[in-house]
Amino acid sequence: GEDVEQSLFLSVREGDSSVINCTYTDSSSTYLYWYKQEPGAGLQLLTYIFSNMDMKQDQRLTVLLNKKDKHLSLRIADTQTGDSAIYFCAESSPDSWGKLQFGAGTQVVVTP
Amino acid sequence: EPEVTQTPSHQVTQMGQEVILRCVPISNHLYFYWYRQILGQKVEFLVSFYNNEISEKSEIFDDQFSVERPDGSNFTLKIRSTKLEDSAMYFCASQQVAKNIQYFGAGTRLSVL
Repeated sequence: GEDVEQSLFLSVREGDSSVINCTYTDSSSTYLYWYKQEPGAGLQLLTYIFSNMDMKQDQRLTVLLNKKDKHLSLRIADTQTGDSAIYFCAESSPDSWGKLQFGAGTQVVVTP
Repeated sequence: EPEVTQTPSHQVTQMGQEVILRCVPISNHLYFYWYRQILGQKVEFLVSFYNNEISEKSEIFDDQFSVERPDGSNFTLKIRSTKLEDSAMYFCASQQVAKNIQYFGAGTRLSVL
């Protein structure tokens, strides 16, 4: 079955760049997403990328997709303390009525 | 900005009781979803709903679960006889037709005692 894997924890200093990695197994994935979850809150969509793209940039966020290796990354430039949260990678495929398959989430801790 | 709203934010219930979790999706969205997140685990898909019927459901979504869109605005998840292992955060999401972006509510934390 489909699976999405992420590293569980990342510590980064304020002002540095964060890179969060994700791998997935479903080769028919069409959309890949990054969601952010702050403590006690819901899932906030940060950005997404369509599978025919290699890169997408949105302000401080850069998404890189290596479809051959089924590897997705999220780079956050100039990381701030407000970026401390859990980041979830998710994928959807065209035959699943929009069902999202999530990774376990990467906890990002930003230290001053 | 329109958002998905869920009520209540926290529901405590006794094992064996029925619970109804409520969601108000974004108004022009036509696809609706329920997910759950057991503490410390992945967010898991439960069910998708379109055109007043279930489109897809997971193995978790057994006969104890049901969904309903009782009127033009609400989307509900009912658990008929709650078990301890149903304790989780339940997220509702909605999506526009032809746009592959799901917007999530803040979740309902269900605690089964």
